[in-house]
Amino acid sequence: GENVEQHPSTLSVQEGDSAVIKCTYSDSASNYFPWYKQELGKRPQLIIDIRSNVGEKKDQRIAVTLNKTAKHFSLHITETQPEDSAVYFCAAKNYGQNFVFGPGTRLSVLP
Amino acid sequence: ETGVTQSPTHLIKTRGQQVTLRCSSQSGHNTVSWYQQALGQGPQFIFQYYREEENGRGNFPPRFSGLQFPNYSSELNVNALELDDSALYLCASSLGGSTDNEQFFGPGTRLTVL
Repeated sequence: GENVEQHPSTLSVQEGDSAVIKCTYSDSASNYFPWYKQELGKRPQLIIDIRSNVGEKKDQRIAVTLNKTAKHFSLHITETQPEDSAVYFCAAKNYGQNFVFGPGTRLSVLP
Repeated sequence: ETGVTQSPTHLIKTRGQQVTLRCSSQSGHNTVSWYQQALGQGPQFIFQYYREEENGRGNFPPRFSGLQFPNYSSELNVNALELDDSALYLCASSLGGSTDNEQFFGPGTRLTVL
């Protein structure tokens, strides 16, 4: 079955700097890759996703890149702000299968 | 559009007891997936219900069971509770069963087993 790894487990950046979180997956048939942000005590919120027919997707300060050959995808946050501090989860899914989540990255944006 | 809701928000049980958690899917969604999120970990897939039928199951024992109703709301039942069942239980709703559609999470139920 699918296995998703995520790095780093914790990340601290200065406000205004960029943050990058990387995930690798094992099932080459996976074709949908969402990213979720979970603030303390709250539900995971979908922030961006990418499908396997696309290499990059942007939404304001957030972007996701996908390398199907290497089976990895990354979340990029530019101009980080204190409110970006949260735990970020990546996930991978193959059609007809369930979502498999990474273990999470705790991002701290220092003012 | 109504978001995903869950009840109760918190629950305390003792070992061996049984618990039922509830989830109302987002308006227009016909699929509910349940996840267990232990502290400091990512959500682990328990099972999914699509049009009132189980549509996929993760690596959880049979004492974890579920149900989906005609209005697409869902229940998660856990029998013979164990200490390791303490976790945040999340449901997520989506459209179309196992298709690659976005899923949206509810706020979760925090279960503590003593």
